[in-house]
Amino acid sequence: AQSVSQHNHHVILSEAASLELGCNYSYGGTVNLFWYVQYPGQHLQLLLKYFSGDPLVKGIKGFEAEFIKSKFSFNLRKPSVQWSDTAEYFCAVNEGNYGQNFVFGPGTRLSVLP
Amino acid sequence: DAGITQSPRYKITETGRQVTLMCHQTWSHSYMFWYRQDLGHGLRLIYYSAAADITDKGEVPDGYVVSRSKTENFPLTLESATRSQTSVYFCASSGTNYEAQYFGPGTRLTVL
Repeated sequence: AQSVSQHNHHVILSEAASLELGCNYSYGGTVNLFWYVQYPGQHLQLLLKYFSGDPLVKGIKGFEAEFIKSKFSFNLRKPSVQWSDTAEYFCAVNEGNYGQNFVFGPGTRLSVLP
Repeated sequence: DAGITQSPRYKITETGRQVTLMCHQTWSHSYMFWYRQDLGHGLRLIYYSAAADITDKGEVPDGYVVSRSKTENFPLTLESATRSQTSVYFCASSGTNYEAQYFGPGTRLTVL
């Protein structure tokens, strides 16, 4: 079965620091990849998605992610974080066959110190 | 543009009672999903639906029932609530099986 792992459970950064959150998946075939953000007390919101084409994907709020097929990775990056980026970040993978195969990672909590 | 809504937003019930959580989307998305979110477990899929009258089990379906008589609605019923079903429940929808899913605001359910 497909699985998604996220390297860090909790990341603490100061404002203006650079961010990279790791995401790895297990499926070897064609995948669609997503990053979601969940601000405290809110629902999940889509940050960015990758289906095909340029492996460097730009999303909202200055986030980007790079798909590296050989490493089964889809890491999220932001050059300079803000206090308002404090949230939980979820990586998700879809094999594109059926909804059942939309698998979320366990999440990484990001705390940005002012 | 309402998008996807859930009701109630908060619910407290007792063990053994039946509870129905509602989900409504205005996008005419074919696919709808129910997840539960628990500390230490992340998001787990309970049930999903590819279209009206088509539903299927996800990772943790036991104790839950769903129906989808209309494309826009996807209610989730706990037939006899248990304390282990205390959780935050999110409904989501997507236009196809491979597109991004869009989430509702969630229902926080407490079973006493």
